[in-house]
Amino acid sequence: SAVISQKPSRDICQRGTSLTIQCQVDSQVTMMFWYRQQPGQSLTLIATANQGSEATYESGFVIDKFPISRPNLTFSTLTVSNMSPEDSSIYLCSVEVRGADNEQFFGPGTRLTVL
Amino acid sequence: RKEVEQDPGPFNVPEGATVAFNCTYSNSASQSFFWYRQDCRKEPKLLMSVYSSGNEDGRFTAQLNRASQYISLLIRDSKLSDSATYLCVVNMNSSASKIIFGSGTRLSIRP
Repeated sequence: SAVISQKPSRDICQRGTSLTIQCQVDSQVTMMFWYRQQPGQSLTLIATANQGSEATYESGFVIDKFPISRPNLTFSTLTVSNMSPEDSSIYLCSVEVRGADNEQFFGPGTRLTVL
Repeated sequence: RKEVEQDPGPFNVPEGATVAFNCTYSNSASQSFFWYRQDCRKEPKLLMSVYSSGNEDGRFTAQLNRASQYISLLIRDSKLSDSATYLCVVNMNSSASKIIFGSGTRLSIRP
């Protein structure tokens, strides 16, 4: 498994501002991902954070709104830009641990409320 | 049709009961299958992987039926601490590592 931390754990932000969420892993991993979990919903993949290149975004998510950095194999950031109340959600990073099953392990999440 | 479908529940069962969840997936080329557990206001945590041969971990048994494209989770002798949301997760493509989450099944165990 992997130990994953996220900062901040929660935040309350004003409409129109941006928030950057950090994800730190205790070991080098190839695959890191960012998910969103809206209230009462399951998880939706935002993007795959690629080390040394641009992130790969899923349908419905764009780089201008959710810029992602991945400077090395243990760290990534997700920025939620120009926030609106609809962005209120939990944002989770995950890593894939290579092995027989390639399971993913999740960080504790960042609970974001946009007023 | 959703890529991964689960009965949302909630399932409300007495302590000690046996409860079973099913999950169906649409992509017959899917490679890996998992059950995750998510407690309220917590991140999902891997409960177990699911293999064609079936696998068991204590009171939990997972089964995969590739022909019918469904996955099941059986919990025996349920405990109060089993109350959580159980997420069915399917890896659509092992090389792309893209996993799809079901909407989750809520389980509540009552004393």
